[in-house]
Amino acid sequence: AQSVTQLDSQVPVFEEAPVELRCNYSSSVSVYLFWYVQYPNQGLQLLLKYLSGSTLVKGINGFEAEFNKSQTSFHLRKPSVHISDTAEYFCAVSGNTGNQFYFGTGTSLTVIP
Amino acid sequence: NAGVTQTPKFQVLKTGQSMTLQCAQDMNHEYMSWYRQDPGMGLRLIHYSVGAGITDQGEVPNGYNVSRSTTEDFPLRLLSAAPSQTSVYFCASSQFYRGGGQYFGPGTRLTVT
Repeated sequence: AQSVTQLDSQVPVFEEAPVELRCNYSSSVSVYLFWYVQYPNQGLQLLLKYLSGSTLVKGINGFEAEFNKSQTSFHLRKPSVHISDTAEYFCAVSGNTGNQFYFGTGTSLTVIP
Repeated sequence: NAGVTQTPKFQVLKTGQSMTLQCAQDMNHEYMSWYRQDPGMGLRLIHYSVGAGITDQGEVPNGYNVSRSTTEDFPLRLLSAAPSQTSVYFCASSQFYRGGGQYFGPGTRLTVT
């Protein structure tokens, strides 16, 4: 089975500053990794995903994430945040033996003007 | 292309009542799933389906039933509502290969009194 740990439940950051949201996973098999964003009172939207190949993955809205197999991490980064990035961010993993997705508990990003 | 739709958006039930949450997608996705989202717990998988006529249990299936008679629809039934089922419910779909990200509906906010 897989599991996901998001190390920070809340991350406040000033506008135009960089941000990193941390995600670690555990799995005994090869995995696919995802980051989703949830704006207030909405469903989740896919930001980016890692399937294979280059460990640096670029997504929408200027976000990127780096897959680190040795550290079992998939941290999300953005070099300069905007007010509109204020949202809940979820890391998720699925194994290559099934179709179940496992989500972390989420990180609430608040961008301060 | 409406994506994933859910009805109703809000619902209040009394303990012991039953109801069905509706979910439909128009993307011809084989894989559909139901999650519940509770504060501090992320998303937890209730049931999922990899195609019409095929369903399976997720992490928290007790108290819920599903069926998948068509590719498009995946209703979730609460058999006898309990206050512990107060939550926000999300339906999601994806193509049936494990590298696909999921498309989420807007959610149903359910309160059981």
